[in-house]
Amino acid sequence: NAGVTQTPKFRVLKTGQSMTLLCAQDMNHEYMYWYRQDPGMGLRLIHYSVGEGTTAKGEVPDGYNVSRLKKQNFLLGLESAAPSQTSVYFCASSPGGALEAFFGQGTRLTVV
Amino acid sequence: GENVEQHPSTLSVQEGDSAVIKCTYSDSASNYFPWYKQELGKGPQLIIDIRSNVGEKKDQRIAVTLNKTAKHFSLHITETQPEDSAVYFCAASITGNQFYFGTGTSLTVIP
Repeated sequence: NAGVTQTPKFRVLKTGQSMTLLCAQDMNHEYMYWYRQDPGMGLRLIHYSVGEGTTAKGEVPDGYNVSRLKKQNFLLGLESAAPSQTSVYFCASSPGGALEAFFGQGTRLTVV
Repeated sequence: GENVEQHPSTLSVQEGDSAVIKCTYSDSASNYFPWYKQELGKGPQLIIDIRSNVGEKKDQRIAVTLNKTAKHFSLHITETQPEDSAVYFCAASITGNQFYFGTGTSLTVIP
């Protein structure tokens, strides 16, 4: 049982480059989330989805886009990376209804 | 939106002692309060949770208490062990759609 899998685990980008982070879950969860984790700031929600074909903005959505074309996948895109987007990104999924959220292992992104 | 504050940011205890981490939340509509443990290089993992219709919940050496009137909840770890060393996050959720996290507590258990 893989749970939540994030690809890639590490990435270095140059300012202005674009990339897509992939999150896949095999638990048939309706809800999926993208968080960023920065020192001293905890986990901040970027975007989330409450079902296939839906997306919504979280606390810090600027500079990011997301898509949920398939229920099991949630993609996070950076169109023009900036150094301020250097962070560790976590994907999570949940059945919803105030039940446990399961996290992936994280993607460490550095923008130089 | 919801605002969750967590204290302390760092905590060191001797092995065998107890550790307490406290969180406050701002929105009285929040009804679900999970606690996550994050080990180095890994994603957060749920260790215990509590809902607003319950005041206390225990699971072996871990317990969580909730005071709805004061809008605060706490994590208690008894008989701490070196493997308890990690970063702990509290969170609050109103609808289950979004989770608002505290800023984390780095716990070190000294053997």
